[in-house]
Amino acid sequence: DAGVIQSPRHEVTEMGQEVTLRCKPISGHNSLFWYRQTMMRGLELLIYFNNNVPIDDSGMPEDRFSAKMPNASFSTLKIQPSEPRDSAVYFCASSPLAGAFTGELFFGEGSRLTVL
Amino acid sequence: DQQVKQNSPSLSVQEGRISILNCDYTNSMFDYFLWYKKYPAEGPTFLISISSIKDKNEDGRFTVFLNKSAKHLSLHIVPSQPGDSAVYFCAASEDNYGQNFVFGPGTRLSVLP
Repeated sequence: DAGVIQSPRHEVTEMGQEVTLRCKPISGHNSLFWYRQTMMRGLELLIYFNNNVPIDDSGMPEDRFSAKMPNASFSTLKIQPSEPRDSAVYFCASSPLAGAFTGELFFGEGSRLTVL
Repeated sequence: DQQVKQNSPSLSVQEGRISILNCDYTNSMFDYFLWYKKYPAEGPTFLISISSIKDKNEDGRFTVFLNKSAKHLSLHIVPSQPGDSAVYFCAASEDNYGQNFVFGPGTRLSVLP
């Protein structure tokens, strides 16, 4: 079975440019999460969706960040305009909504963003 | 202020010995805890979980202990193997639906042959 698929794996861009990260969750999973990993702060939850609806976006750093989930099989995280401090690895994860007794999240391999 | 703390950024252990990774939390509402393992260039993978109704959960070489009164949990790996070398994240949530897990900063474990 395919896991969570993220693209691109690596992105290098210049300050001020728009960045779009993409995620395809595991089929049948109802919850989707965007996390950011930095050396200073570790893994931070940015936003999560249940059944394509954003539930909690309190972790989104600022208005430059936006996330959408237009359907059950696709989500995007957009940064516009990007800044050097946005450089990090961005992880997408999915899980079943109900009956997630283990609470296990299934993570993608991450998108490493470098903003110059 | 970090709600989940892993105060040891790194840990080195000899192969065959016990590895003990520690995690402390401040939010008394947390009642579900997980450990994840992460290899370089990969996403974190689930390792083991424990809910607050238990104080111990075991899965093969991995055991997680929870001390709610101390707001402390630990992951024991016995015996440690070189393939266990990875970054280990502790995560906590106020519910067990995987909705809003707060992760610690991670501890890098190196198991030396």
